[in-house]
Amino acid sequence: AQSVTQLDSQVPVFEEAPVELRCNYSSSVSVYLFWYVQYPNQGLQLLLKYLSGSTLVKSINGFEAEFNKSQTSFHLRKPSVHISDTAEYFCAVSDRFPTSGGYQKVTFGTGTKLQVIP
Amino acid sequence: DTGVSQDPRHKITKRGQNVTFRCDPISEHNRLYWYRQTLGQGPEFLTYFQNEAQLEKSRLLSNRFSAERPKGSFSTLEIQRTEQGDSAMYLCASSNTGGSTDTQYFGPGTRLTVL
Repeated sequence: AQSVTQLDSQVPVFEEAPVELRCNYSSSVSVYLFWYVQYPNQGLQLLLKYLSGSTLVKSINGFEAEFNKSQTSFHLRKPSVHISDTAEYFCAVSDRFPTSGGYQKVTFGTGTKLQVIP
Repeated sequence: DTGVSQDPRHKITKRGQNVTFRCDPISEHNRLYWYRQTLGQGPEFLTYFQNEAQLEKSRLLSNRFSAERPKGSFSTLEIQRTEQGDSAMYLCASSNTGGSTDTQYFGPGTRLTVL
């Protein structure tokens, strides 16, 4: 069974300050890792993903995450946040191999609300 | 690519009524998923279709819930005899088997409030 832990339910940070949102996962098999962002009253948008290769992955709006296999972590970072980054961020893990029905099970964390303070 | 769309965006109903939600996936995507998200939680998997076949169902999907994808395009999720505990955001996602991974793209969700 796989699980995702996002220990911080809320992270307040001043505008232009750096931020790190923590994500740890557990799984008995190889995984894919994702970060999704959810703005108020909207669905989830894919922010970035790790499939294979370089352990550092980046999004187009300045976020990056690093896959650390030994620590089973996939923390999300941004060196300088903007007001528009205020949202809820969900870390998710997916098995590399599908179920018998062809479904690659995705498990989400409980989310971290990032509040950027002007 | 117009993204995943869901209708309605909001639904308020009285306990005991039936409700139906619709999801239109990204047009070339053959996989479709339904999730439920309650306050303070991440999305929880409900069910999965590949084309018109419903291949996975969560234990969360009680017998009051039914989902269909009759022509392998749009999907509907029906909840019969709604209960207050059904109040949640219902999210639809779609993906394509063409790539090496099953990256899911989400719609805006339908927020259900059961009074």
